[in-house]
Amino acid sequence: DAMVIQNPRYQVTQFGKPVTLSCSQTLNHNVMYWYQQKSSQAPKLLFHYYDKDFNNEADTPDNFQSRRPNTSFCFLDIRSPGLGDAAMYLCATSRGGDDQPQHFGDGTRLSIL
Amino acid sequence: GQSLEQPSEVTAVEGAIVQINCTYQTSGFYGLSWYQQHDGGAPTFLSYNALDGLEETGRFSSFLSRSDSYGYLLLQELQMKDSASYFCAVNTGFQKLVFGTGTRLLVSP
Repeated sequence: DAMVIQNPRYQVTQFGKPVTLSCSQTLNHNVMYWYQQKSSQAPKLLFHYYDKDFNNEADTPDNFQSRRPNTSFCFLDIRSPGLGDAAMYLCATSRGGDDQPQHFGDGTRLSIL
Repeated sequence: GQSLEQPSEVTAVEGAIVQINCTYQTSGFYGLSWYQQHDGGAPTFLSYNALDGLEETGRFSSFLSRSDSYGYLLLQELQMKDSASYFCAVNTGFQKLVFGTGTRLLVSP
């Protein structure tokens, strides 16, 4: 089945130790998104790619970066994780176009020790 | 700024009908979407309204009034599996969604 796959489902890292989360898609969608979701809160958009064009949200901390080496893969890099970065990180894709639904992966739950 | 307001929690019994409201104030508006999220799971797309009126998809319907900046999700014949969080989300343009505060629906037997 075509889908959005996030690995790993659970990630533990140490305070200040860089961590990378990965996302892949078999939907061949143009747009890939990264969201941060904290407990009982709405998903918050960090950034997205439309093809190779990177779009950063104004309030996304510099600590968060992203790479999209090809259509299928997208990575979220957290350079120096702090305790406040513990959250669920959701990857999503869409075809592009404002009437297109977003398809989410199951997320990676990040814990900071 | 952007704000989407929803009730924090709604409770209902199996077989009932429940309506989840969403009022929004955003800098751009292309449409209103609804997503369902079970605990620990991914948000899944339910519906999309770009124009005023009611859209029906099985047991779920969604309504939009752009002049009132208001929409709702109507769930009929509630089942236990409908217990989840429901988010409205505004498509603000440039392929972006802004999510509402979320409504936790609890369905009891």
